[in-house]
Amino acid sequence: GAGVSQSPSNKVTEKGKDVELRCDPISGHTALYWYRQSLGQGLEFLIYFQGNSAPDKSGLPSDRFSAERTGGSVSTLTIQRTQQEDSAVYLCASSPSPGLSQPQHFGDGTRLSIL
Amino acid sequence: DQQVKQNSPSLSVQEGRISILNCDYTNSMFDYFLWYKKYPAEGPTFLISISSIKDKNEDGRFTVFLNKSAKHLSLHIVPSQPGDSAVYFCAASDRGGSNYKLTFGKGTLLTVNP
Repeated sequence: GAGVSQSPSNKVTEKGKDVELRCDPISGHTALYWYRQSLGQGLEFLIYFQGNSAPDKSGLPSDRFSAERTGGSVSTLTIQRTQQEDSAVYLCASSPSPGLSQPQHFGDGTRLSIL
Repeated sequence: DQQVKQNSPSLSVQEGRISILNCDYTNSMFDYFLWYKKYPAEGPTFLISISSIKDKNEDGRFTVFLNKSAKHLSLHIVPSQPGDSAVYFCAASDRGGSNYKLTFGKGTLLTVNP
């Protein structure tokens, strides 16, 4: 069966440009998460969507970061005016329901490099 | 301020022996703990979890032990296999505060030698 799909798998861009990362969750999964893993670090929570509820954006590191989830399915994470410290692997995960009773299923991530 | 710490960046063991991966936490509100495994260029995959009402949970070759008083948990893999070679992440949650937010450690790279 299809897992969580992320695109692109790699993105190299110049400092100051905007980037858009895409996540297709597993069909039917209502909860969707974005994480970031910087070099040598653990996964850092960014944002959480659950159904039609207002997202939890508490992990977004600055107002250059935004995310949306259209129709309760596909999500995009947008980083405006990218900085070198934004270089990281951005991971998306989904789960069938809210809470931790069901484990999160991760995509393979987008490796973002800011030159 | 790291709330979940994996103090060993790497661990090397022989095939067939036991692998013990350790994790310490500082937040006493954490009440649910998980281990994820990650291969290069892939996303993490869930391995095993434990609630704070338990001190042990077992699933096949994988056992997680929780010592709440020491704020310490460990993942035991017995017997270790070369295919277990991966980065292992410990994660924790305060389900009373947020029933979905995970705090991850930095990971431990396990190498199982044939």
